[in-house]
Amino acid sequence: QVQVVQSGAEVKRPGASVTVSCKASGYTFTDYYIHWVRQAPGQGLEWMGWINPHRGGTKYAQKFQGRVTMSRDTSISTAYMDLRGLRSDDTAVFYCARVIALAGNYYFDSWGQGTLVVVSS
Amino acid sequence: SSDLAQDPAVSVALGQTVRITCQGDTLRVYYASWYQQKPGQAPVLVIYGQNNRPSGIPDRFSGSRSGNTASLTITGTQAEDEADYYCNSRDSSGDHVVFGGGTKLTVL
Repeated sequence: QVQVVQSGAEVKRPGASVTVSCKASGYTFTDYYIHWVRQAPGQGLEWMGWINPHRGGTKYAQKFQGRVTMSRDTSISTAYMDLRGLRSDDTAVFYCARVIALAGNYYFDSWGQGTLVVVSS
Repeated sequence: SSDLAQDPAVSVALGQTVRITCQGDTLRVYYASWYQQKPGQAPVLVIYGQNNRPSGIPDRFSGSRSGNTASLTITGTQAEDEADYYCNSRDSSGDHVVFGGGTKLTVL
């Protein structure tokens, strides 16, 4: 069955960087885009961007432009999200999700379990 | 990009029907999809497209669209349906995705 498994929780100092990984299994990794979503404590879901695992192309939300890099390693069916210049308000759970594109619409059909990133001095 | 507006909170009596709405201009072009999120858990897709349910989602969940408003309807609401519900869709540029602010559903 389709599974998306993320790396474990992280604690970082302000100004540091964090890398969250997202390992896919149960399907052909390069057939579906991976999107990343952030959820601050007690807040809603916030879209960060996507990566096309087949060609490596990316698209980022304007809010994260210049601070985020999404990449992938097709040999191990894993996507990565790097966030730089961490601030305390980056403390959040980060999710990756496999997204199906159907008739021009996007559906987030399989989500990782989430990775808590705490930014604290 | 465009915003998707949701009511912050909705309540429903056990066994009754509830409709959760999501409003935004982008919904005139793209279908919304709906996600259920329970505390401490990842979101789960419950409705996508015109009115499609992934495998394992009970048929009491249904979706619809009228103009710029998408709706998620739960018929015969169960206690386990108490959760946060989010809508999303592609934004007006088509390149990005936007989420609604979420609706907290309380089952009385």
